[in-house]
Amino acid sequence: SAVISQKPSRDICQRGTSLTIQCQVDSQVTMMFWYRQQPGQSLTLIATANQGSEATYESGFVIDKFPISRPNLTFSTLTVSNMSPEDSSIYLCSVVVQGGSDTEAFFGQGTRLTVV
Amino acid sequence: GENVEQHPSTLSVQEGDSAVIKCTYSDSASNYFPWYKQELGKRPQLIIDIRSNVGEKKDQRIAVTLNKTAKHFSLHITETQPEDSAVYFCAASGGAGGTSYGKLTFGQGTILTVHP
Repeated sequence: SAVISQKPSRDICQRGTSLTIQCQVDSQVTMMFWYRQQPGQSLTLIATANQGSEATYESGFVIDKFPISRPNLTFSTLTVSNMSPEDSSIYLCSVVVQGGSDTEAFFGQGTRLTVV
Repeated sequence: GENVEQHPSTLSVQEGDSAVIKCTYSDSASNYFPWYKQELGKRPQLIIDIRSNVGEKKDQRIAVTLNKTAKHFSLHITETQPEDSAVYFCAASGGAGGTSYGKLTFGQGTILTVHP
């Protein structure tokens, strides 16, 4: 299993500002994933954070809006830049842990962002 | 890319009844299909998963079936209890290697309510 800590757990931000979300894992993992869950909606993958290289973004998400850092194998940050009310969502980081024949994706507790 | 459709969006059952949630996927290369339970304000938790080399998997009251030909998979919960009330998400991912299991495409979610 994996223990994932996300900070902050929630925040209320002014439009036009930026927020950086931190994700810390208790073990080394090759890839970390960032998801967005809009109010009452499903989860959508934003990007895959690779250690030592640039993040890989999914369609509809760009680096200028969601810059990601991955300085080591246990930590990543996601920044939501120049925020607007439409960015109000829960942002979750995720990691995959392999154990024998079992593989499981674990999620952090999420960061609930409200943009006013 | 992958597209996952989930039905129904809401499901209401009496305690002790069975609940079935169905998902279809579009990418025949997808080979990993997890189901997550998300309680209000909490992170998604894996409840069961199935890989494309298996047709059915059961864990106590929960079972998942996979039909690769038809590209659909289903979650079955028997003897439902009020504690089963939550939002359930199916997901799909493809590619080789464990890290691909982290790139999940989620269904829209099913709100399950179990009435005592």
